Amino acid sequence: AQTVTQSQPEMSVQEAETVTLSCTYDTSENNYYLFWYKQPPSRQMILVIRQEAYKQQNATENRFSVNFQKAAKSFSLKISDSQLGDTAMYFCAFIASFGNEKLTFGTGTRLTIIP
Amino acid sequence: DAGVTQSPTHLIKTRGQHVTLRCSPISGHKSVSWYQQVLGQGPQFIFQYYEKEERGRGNFPDRFSARQFPNYSSELNVNALLLGDSALYLCASSETTVNYGYTFGSGTRLTVV
Repeated sequence: AQTVTQSQPEMSVQEAETVTLSCTYDTSENNYYLFWYKQPPSRQMILVIRQEAYKQQNATENRFSVNFQKAAKSFSLKISDSQLGDTAMYFCAFIASFGNEKLTFGTGTRLTIIP
Repeated sequence: DAGVTQSPTHLIKTRGQHVTLRCSPISGHKSVSWYQQVLGQGPQFIFQYYEKEERGRGNFPDRFSARQFPNYSSELNVNALLLGDSALYLCASSETTVNYGYTFGSGTRLTVV
């Protein structure tokens, strides 16, 4: 069974600063995908960024980037030039490439951007 | 294009009652999954359907059931409601494989009293 751990329940940062959210996971699978989802107060889960385990290059999407360390089973999210609209719950999630196509989520990190 | 739509948005039920939640996936998406998100926790997988067949089931009791219709919309049914079933129920859809992640709806907030 896969597990996803987010050790930071809450974080806050000043607007325009950079913040890094941590995520570790445990799996015996070799092929899988990792995601960061954002959940604002509107409740909808929004995909922020994805990483394919077989790719060594870290994924980037505009101000969002990841540090993927496969051997350490670590997958952190860096948000640069943070904006007020980044305030939300952030969930790290894992899915195996084959078999039961379920997302396994962490418990989330509540991020607050301070004006 | 419309995203994943769920109905109703909010629902209050009494213990022991039955509830049906509905989900319409993004046009062209054939896979629908259901997740339960209890307050303060990450979503937990309940079911996945693809082409009207059940592809996966999470660790939930038999009181939970689901189905997918020919137009790929889906229903989640919960019988004999318990207080602990109070949660946000999220529906997610994807085209075929999930390597690009799921697109989620805004959820149905179920309160059992």
